[in-house]
Amino acid sequence: ETGVTQSPTHLIKTRGQQVTLRCSSQSGHNTVSWYQQALGQGPQFIFQYYREEENGRGNFPPRFSGLQFPNYSSELNVNALELDDSALYLCASSTGQPNTEAFFGQGTRLTVV
Amino acid sequence: QQQVKQSPQSLIVQKGGISIINCAYENTAFDYFPWYQQFPGKGPALLIAIRPDVSEKKEGRFTISFNKSAKQFSLHIMDSQPGDSATYFCAASGPQGGNKLTFGGGTRVLVKP
Repeated sequence: ETGVTQSPTHLIKTRGQQVTLRCSSQSGHNTVSWYQQALGQGPQFIFQYYREEENGRGNFPPRFSGLQFPNYSSELNVNALELDDSALYLCASSTGQPNTEAFFGQGTRLTVV
Repeated sequence: QQQVKQSPQSLIVQKGGISIINCAYENTAFDYFPWYQQFPGKGPALLIAIRPDVSEKKEGRFTISFNKSAKQFSLHIMDSQPGDSATYFCAASGPQGGNKLTFGGGTRVLVKP
């Protein structure tokens, strides 16, 4: 196990609703990245938080937003859910140093109906 | 825009055989190339990683070959075992720091006993 925990593990939401996903980073890590993994595809970078500030964003609309807390845990919020938002959402924690290992959680499986 | 292209999408290998997965990238700023292994219901786990200053790296049964001029890298799994059956992702990140990973599309490997 990586020490990165995500909650919940599964949830089902209705189109148009809002959702909040949570991630606890590994001890000693100050950087959390979020990824969206559609079924049968590779993870896509959503955004990253470093010491409570957004530190880069992928090609995702503003209805995807995030937050990092002083203990470096993080939240991913998605507003106005669409059917295509159904995916596995992964968070990864790291030290923030370039090219060091990123440790992934087990993911949250979001289904939008 | 898919900046890391991975092939094949799936492969079947007999126990004891060699699995070979190839990736090609476009962004010459990438300078860190990890491979991740993912089992169903789990997050990706780092298998092995390479930097472009070396052409090959070996860890146990896993070897990365890197060709900087061709912008290609590959994973070789020697003496493949049924427990290696998983999905493998190549990835890349640049010197901007923080491990913002760009993933390939994944290769599903099935090792037959």
